[in-house]
This record gives sequence, C-alpha cells and structure tokens, in this order.
Amino acid sequence: DGGITQSPKYLFRKEGQNVTLSCEQNLNHDAMYWYRQDPGQGLRLIYYSQIVNDFQKGDIAEGYSVSREKKESFPLTVTSAQKNPTAFYLCASSMLGQGKLFFGSGTQLSVL
Amino acid sequence: GENVEQHPSTLSVQEGDSAVIKCTYSDSASNYFPWYKQELGKRPQLIIDIRSNVGEKKDQRIAVTLNKTAKHFSLHITETQPEDSAVYFCAASWASGTYKYIFGTGTRLKVLA
Repeated sequence: DGGITQSPKYLFRKEGQNVTLSCEQNLNHDAMYWYRQDPGQGLRLIYYSQIVNDFQKGDIAEGYSVSREKKESFPLTVTSAQKNPTAFYLCASSMLGQGKLFFGSGTQLSVL
Repeated sequence: GENVEQHPSTLSVQEGDSAVIKCTYSDSASNYFPWYKQELGKRPQLIIDIRSNVGEKKDQRIAVTLNKTAKHFSLHITETQPEDSAVYFCAASWASGTYKYIFGTGTRLKVLA
C-alpha cells in the first residue's frame, strides 16, 4: 500500500490560517477522494475527483477546497471557514469502475 | 439523506468464538457493499465486498451476507484470533464510475485471548 502517500502525518493550524494536506498516488488511479474521520462518526466524504481538473463536493465540503491539476495529486486545503477542523483526514484512490479504495496513512489535524 | 447504520459500536469476543457485525442502508439504489478493517494507527483496508446480485460471499474465516429486501448486510468472522482486533467499517455505494460510499460509524472488535 505504499502507492498512496499523505503528508504531513501531523499538522497544527492556528486561528484564521489555511493549511494544505498533501496526497500523492503512483497507482495510476483515476479517482481520488478525501475523507474526514471523527471518533464514533465513521468516514465522511469531503471531495472526490474522477479526472484531472474536475472534482465534486461530497457530504461535508464546506470550509474545504481541493485541486486536481495532475492525475497523481489531490491536495486538500482546510480553510479558515472550517470552524471545527480537528480530525483525522484520509485520502484514497481507486480505479474508475472498481470499488476497492486504497487509503493513505492519514493526517491528524489539530487546532492550536 | 442516505445513511448506513452499523451495530454494535463495540464488540468483545473470546478467541475462537464468532463475531457478527450488522449494517442497514437506506438507499435502495446501493449495489456495492464493502467492509474495511482499520487496525490501530493504520489505514483502512478492504477485507471483503459483495455486490447486490449475490446473497453471500465467503473468504476463509470471513463471510458477508446481504438481504436486499430488508436492506441490511452483515460481516461474519469465525474462529476469531487476536489479530482480528480492529475497527471494522461497512459501506454502501452505487456503482457508477466513481464509487461514492456512505460509511457506517464503525465497530471496535476486541478478541480476548
């Protein structure tokens, strides 16, 4: 599973600050996803992308933004508009038409 | 909106016993149901999945059953071992190019030696 890499492992955000989480994959997967994991709430979809330069909002997109300039990369920006950003963020990828998600190792974001 | 309910939230079993985790989904259009295992500090990994045209699927000690009429599916682990201890997530999705999953809230399974 070294094919999808997230960085950093831990990230701290100050009040009013935007922070960006990195996600890179070398699996040649078309689809990429960002999930937020909170204790007792499972995984919730933030954004997903099927092809370069195209992405769609998930269930909890408010306060987040993404880009997909390259097939391999799908960075997530947590903006200052996200008032409760403390969570574990997971990036995933998959082949189009196939259900299996390959997850990264995650980024724990905390607020200072 | 669509949701997936998962029960129980925690489950403790003796080593060698069976464990059953149940999920109920709301969207009748869902046709793909995977189960992911997340060990402590690690990333979720797919352990088994089932599509709506199949009622049961088995892989060694793990099996999944699906009841489309009742809109629920279950994970069965037999002969549990300490390494089965983890958080298990069910999910429901409809297959249309990109799979947009709805995940359950997870079950923390503890296998007691």
